[in-house]
Amino acid sequence: QVQLQESGPGLVKPSQTLSLSCTVSGDSINSDAYYWSWIRQPPGKGLEWIGYIYYSGTTFYNPSLESRATLSVDTSKSQFSLKLTSVTAADTAVYYCARWTSSSYRFYFDSWGQGTLVAVSS
Amino acid sequence: DIQMTQSPSSLSASVGDRVTITCRASQDISDSLNWYHQRPGKAPKLLIYDASILITGVPSRFSGSGSGTDFTFTISGLQPEDVGTYHCQEYGHLPALTFGGGTKVEIK
Repeated sequence: QVQLQESGPGLVKPSQTLSLSCTVSGDSINSDAYYWSWIRQPPGKGLEWIGYIYYSGTTFYNPSLESRATLSVDTSKSQFSLKLTSVTAADTAVYYCARWTSSSYRFYFDSWGQGTLVAVSS
Repeated sequence: DIQMTQSPSSLSASVGDRVTITCRASQDISDSLNWYHQRPGKAPKLLIYDASILITGVPSRFSGSGSGTDFTFTISGLQPEDVGTYHCQEYGHLPALTFGGGTKVEIK
């Protein structure tokens, strides 16, 4: 059973860079059946897909965040990461890492981390 | 970009009631739609994929239907453990993905 765990600062100052990591255990991050994704949820609001990354390093981003978001993967540590630059209060949210299954005509988020709240405030 | 309009944004129903949530896509997405349930303070959990296929282990009171631009999610008899927020999510134009705004379900 795959498990995902987010880690990173819970408070970031405006204009600075938000950095989070997600550690994958219980399954290989190198599988060709999965993409590794970041999703966020502002307090009391809906879910927003940020982007995903393949183990090879191929990335896809939400166009609305593409200019500020960077995803990376470290297969040796079984981790993938998110950097979001120039943050504002609007970036305050619970950030989830999740596994996107993309194989055998099945496409869905089937495993999620517990989520980590990141507040942007001075 | 595809926009997903989910309604209602919230509802209150009694135990045993039939509950229906709709999701409308701004473009044809065929049957490329998933439904998730999110309990308060928890991560979402996948219930239905390809608009109507139930994930193994999900109770049969949950169902989904639709294709093209209009989709429906139904709970045939609401149970106390069904409270939370339900989210639709499209993947009709990969690699981009879009979620609906969510529907909060409460017990009356």
